[in-house]
Amino acid sequence: GAVVSQHPSRVICKSGTSVKIECRSLDFQATTMFWYRQFPKQSLMLMATSNEGSKATYEQGVEKDKFLINHASLTLSTLTVTSAHPEDSSFYICSARSGTSFDNEQFFGPGTRLTVL
Amino acid sequence: SQQGEEDPQALSIQEGENATMNCSYKTSINNLQWYRQNSGRGLVHLILIRSNEREKHSGRLRVTLDTSKKSSSLLITASRAADTASYFCAPEVSGGSNYKLTFGKGTLLTVNP
Repeated sequence: GAVVSQHPSRVICKSGTSVKIECRSLDFQATTMFWYRQFPKQSLMLMATSNEGSKATYEQGVEKDKFLINHASLTLSTLTVTSAHPEDSSFYICSARSGTSFDNEQFFGPGTRLTVL
Repeated sequence: SQQGEEDPQALSIQEGENATMNCSYKTSINNLQWYRQNSGRGLVHLILIRSNEREKHSGRLRVTLDTSKKSSSLLITASRAADTASYFCAPEVSGGSNYKLTFGKGTLLTVNP
């Protein structure tokens, strides 16, 4: 299957700082990228959907000013957690798909473990 | 909600046995995708079954889809200890101009050597 990478894999930061997470599709062009967060032993919660060159669409209850998403190219999307607080500590996973129609497989990155002290 | 709901929540079997996990959903879908997640890792795509398909195979995996019952099943045959992981089903629905997957809590499969 296609490969999606994330960087960093793990980050620890102080409360109040901002953290940027990168998501790259390595061997295909991702027209759409998704950002999820996952709490321990819980489901993946979709945060937002982003299409290359346009603004992200956020799910209900997700603060767009808190979680800034930039999908600058067909292979790169970034998630910036601004003014992070301990409650933002979570496992963040990005995902990418290569087409805009249905029936396209969606591939996931390895995730980023964020710990806010 | 359009998310998939897996059943059972946990399943423990012996190596060599078959493992069956079920998934139910509530709305019309384009397709349904199954994923595996090892603890603390990302999701690995296993198989995609389209809404007009009833059964699909990939190696030791067999997936069925019954759109009339809004349910799917994942069968892993001749299980191995390395199959130990959480398994998620994700129905694909149309979300406005995008197609998106939503997930349930998964089935935690433990294969004992």
